[in-house]
Amino acid sequence: KAGVTQTPRYLIKTRGQQVTLSCSPISGHRSVSWYQQTPGQGLQFLFEYFSETQRNKGNFPGRFSGRQFSNSRSEMNVSTLELGDSALYLCASSLAVGQAAYEQYFGPGTRLTVT
Amino acid sequence: AQSVTQLGSHVSVSEGALVLLRCNYSSSVPPYLFWYVQYPNQGLQLLLKYTTGATLVKGINGFEAEFKKSETSFHLTKPSAHMSDAAEYFCAVSANSGNTPLVFGKGTRLSVIA
Repeated sequence: KAGVTQTPRYLIKTRGQQVTLSCSPISGHRSVSWYQQTPGQGLQFLFEYFSETQRNKGNFPGRFSGRQFSNSRSEMNVSTLELGDSALYLCASSLAVGQAAYEQYFGPGTRLTVT
Repeated sequence: AQSVTQLGSHVSVSEGALVLLRCNYSSSVPPYLFWYVQYPNQGLQLLLKYTTGATLVKGINGFEAEFKKSETSFHLTKPSAHMSDAAEYFCAVSANSGNTPLVFGKGTRLSVIA
């Protein structure tokens, strides 16, 4: 069974631009979560989607948004990029909503660098 | 609200020595506790998790962790370190009810010296 795939793997953007990251979950998984990983803040939860609906949201500004499609694939968008948005963005999929109850399977991440 | 503190951002052990990675949590409700491992250029992989029941939890690759409620700890151990254990390890906590997202610690980088 194929794992979680994230595209692109690496991305370089300029301050003020916007970016869209994509995540394809494991076949049959309907929940997708997004995390931001930085050396200073560690892993921080962005949001979780299930059945095309946002079920949970972390403490991030409105510049960070996401969506989920009917095939469970998910995208996240960051508008008006800032230098501090440079990070590894991780996507995780699970069978259903509820990170404590359902094991999350992580993708390799998208490394975003903002210059 | 939940929080996690991992003591030591970097731990170095000799090959064959005991691995001990420390995790203390704070939770206002009974917690679910997790350990994840991240190898370079990869995502996280679940090592083990505690939900309810037996407080000593065995995971993959010979790792185990013990839930100690009185000490609010969930330390990760492995009797004998292997070179392939070198990675970053994350402890995480979640409330054991409802739809609460995981809260991760800052991580501990484990180095194994030959």
